[in-house]
Amino acid sequence: GAGVSQSPSNKVTEKGKDVELRCDPISGHTALYWYRQRLGQGLEFLIYFQGNSAPDKSGLPSDRFSAERTGESVSTLTIQRTQQEDSAVYLCASSLGQTNSPLHFGNGTRLTVT
Amino acid sequence: KQEVTQIPAALSVPEGENLVLNCSFTDSAIYNLQWFRQDPGKGLTSLLLIQSSQREQTSGRLNASLDKSSGRSTLYIAASQPGDSATYLCAVDNNAGNMLTFGGGTRLMVKP
Repeated sequence: GAGVSQSPSNKVTEKGKDVELRCDPISGHTALYWYRQRLGQGLEFLIYFQGNSAPDKSGLPSDRFSAERTGESVSTLTIQRTQQEDSAVYLCASSLGQTNSPLHFGNGTRLTVT
Repeated sequence: KQEVTQIPAALSVPEGENLVLNCSFTDSAIYNLQWFRQDPGKGLTSLLLIQSSQREQTSGRLNASLDKSSGRSTLYIAASQPGDSATYLCAVDNNAGNMLTFGGGTRLMVKP
């Protein structure tokens, strides 16, 4: 079956511009996660959606970052007024949302801010 | 705050060797521990998930163990192959699925 799909796969933007990243989770997965992976570093948790509950935004690094999810489907991560330190691979994952459900990751969006 | 450490950061072995990757975590109140594989330019692929009540999980040539009380997990790869070359990441769940905390990964190179 189809896995987690992310678009675009690559994005180059100028400093100060806004960008929007998209994630299509696996159908039926109620939980959706965004992570950031900077070059040579580990994965940083950004935000978590579970069904219709309020999202866990505790990992968002600044108020320039926001994310939305429509029901249990597509999610968008928006970064406003991008900075060079925002350059990273942004990974989306989804799961069945139960304790001990494995996460399924997309291939990520590589964001480069020039 | 949970901290996850993976040792070694990089490992190069000849084909056919058995090898062990290590993962340690500071907060033992976990629900599960997961091992992932990441190929260059790709996302993460789930390899094994060990629940907190389990001691090990096996899948093919992979065996993962968990010692929750000491905050350690190992990933054992038997008869390594060049196709095993990738970065291996461990991650722990302290929040019943809300969030995983990842280690920095071990970059494995298996030479033909």
